[in-house]
Amino acid sequence: AQKVTQAQTEISVVEKEDVTLDCVYETRDTTYYLFWYKQPPSGELVFLIRRNSFDEQNEISGRYSWNFQKSTSSFNFTITASQVVDSAVYFCALKTPGGSYIPTFGRGTSLIVHP
Amino acid sequence: GAGVSQTPSNKVTEKGKYVELRCDPISGHTALYWYRQSLGQGPEFLIYFQGTGAADDSGLPNDRFFAVRPEGSVSTLKIQRTERGDSAVYLCASSLGGVDGNTEAFFGQGTRLTVV
Repeated sequence: AQKVTQAQTEISVVEKEDVTLDCVYETRDTTYYLFWYKQPPSGELVFLIRRNSFDEQNEISGRYSWNFQKSTSSFNFTITASQVVDSAVYFCALKTPGGSYIPTFGRGTSLIVHP
Repeated sequence: GAGVSQTPSNKVTEKGKYVELRCDPISGHTALYWYRQSLGQGPEFLIYFQGTGAADDSGLPNDRFFAVRPEGSVSTLKIQRTERGDSAVYLCASSLGGVDGNTEAFFGQGTRLTVV
């Protein structure tokens, strides 16, 4: 069985603060893929990043960075110097061969950035 | 089209009625997924197509739900005898390949179904 846990239901910050969204995953497969999506108020899920289990390098893309740690089964997402436009619900997802590579999503974390 | 297109964007129906929700995936994407999202929850898997066939329909909640993809492109999710509990946003996604973890799924904007 595969599972994604996003323990933070809602996070509220003031603009320019840094914020980290947590994602913990569970799988028995040794090969797996992790994803982050953003869902703005318009409703469409927007793909942000994909990471496979063999690549533990952290990634930075502008103000976004991702910290993948197999030892703690976590794939956390940090937004540096948050902006109001970052306000959205963020989902972590997992694909595994045992799950037929069908994406399993966490419950999401709602990020509210106040001006 | 440029992205995944879902129609209608909103659907209000009476309890007991039949509804069809349409998904037009990205051209060339062989994998197509249907998810259901309730308020405050993550997307919940319903069914996955690889080409024309339903490769995995384990997420369909009961036999009132059915989906087809006859030509391997457009898909229709069909719900019979709708119930108030079916109210949710129905999301469609497509991806290249499918039997491969190393591809991301692209989502449509969803159809908000309200059963009154």
